[in-house]
Amino acid sequence: GENVEQHPSTLSVQEGDSAVIKCTYSDSASNYFPWYKQELGKGPQLIIDIRSNVGEKKDQRIAVTLNKTAKHFSLHITETQPEDSAVYFCAASRDQGGGSYIPTFGRGTSLIVHP
Amino acid sequence: ETGVTQSPTHLIKTRGQQVTLRCSSQSGHNTVSWYQQALGQGPQFIFQYYREEENGRGNFPPRFSGLQFPNYSSELNVNALELDDSALYLCASSLDEGRREQFFGPGTRLTVL
Repeated sequence: GENVEQHPSTLSVQEGDSAVIKCTYSDSASNYFPWYKQELGKGPQLIIDIRSNVGEKKDQRIAVTLNKTAKHFSLHITETQPEDSAVYFCAASRDQGGGSYIPTFGRGTSLIVHP
Repeated sequence: ETGVTQSPTHLIKTRGQQVTLRCSSQSGHNTVSWYQQALGQGPQFIFQYYREEENGRGNFPPRFSGLQFPNYSSELNVNALELDDSALYLCASSLDEGRREQFFGPGTRLTVL
């Protein structure tokens, strides 16, 4: 089955700095890569996703890059703000048959943005 | 539009007991997935239901079972609770099994003593 590794486990930055979280995956058939933000006491919230036919996607201060050959993808947050502090999860998934996608999650990165 | 809701918020049980957790899908969604999230870990897929049928299952024993109702709400049942079942249980709904974006509820925190 799919295995997703995520690094670092903890990331501490100053407000305004950039933050980068990296993930690798093992199943070359995976073709959908979502990123989730989980705040304390809440469920994960999708913040950005990328499909295997795209190498990079950007949404305001958040961008994701994908290298299918190397089987790794990264989340980039620019101009970090204290409200970006949360746990971030990457995931990899593929069509399980019939169009159903079931993601395998990384172990999470706790991002702390200091004012 | 109502988001995904789960009940109860917290639950304490003892070993060997049984528990039922409930999830209401986001309006219009017909696919529900359940995940177990242990402390400090990412969510682990338990199973998925599409139009009331189980549509995929992760590496969980048969004492984890589920149901999806005609209104697409869902239940997760766990029998013979073990200490290791203590975790946050998350429900996620999506629109048709072909859609990839899942919307998560806030979860139910289960503690097994």
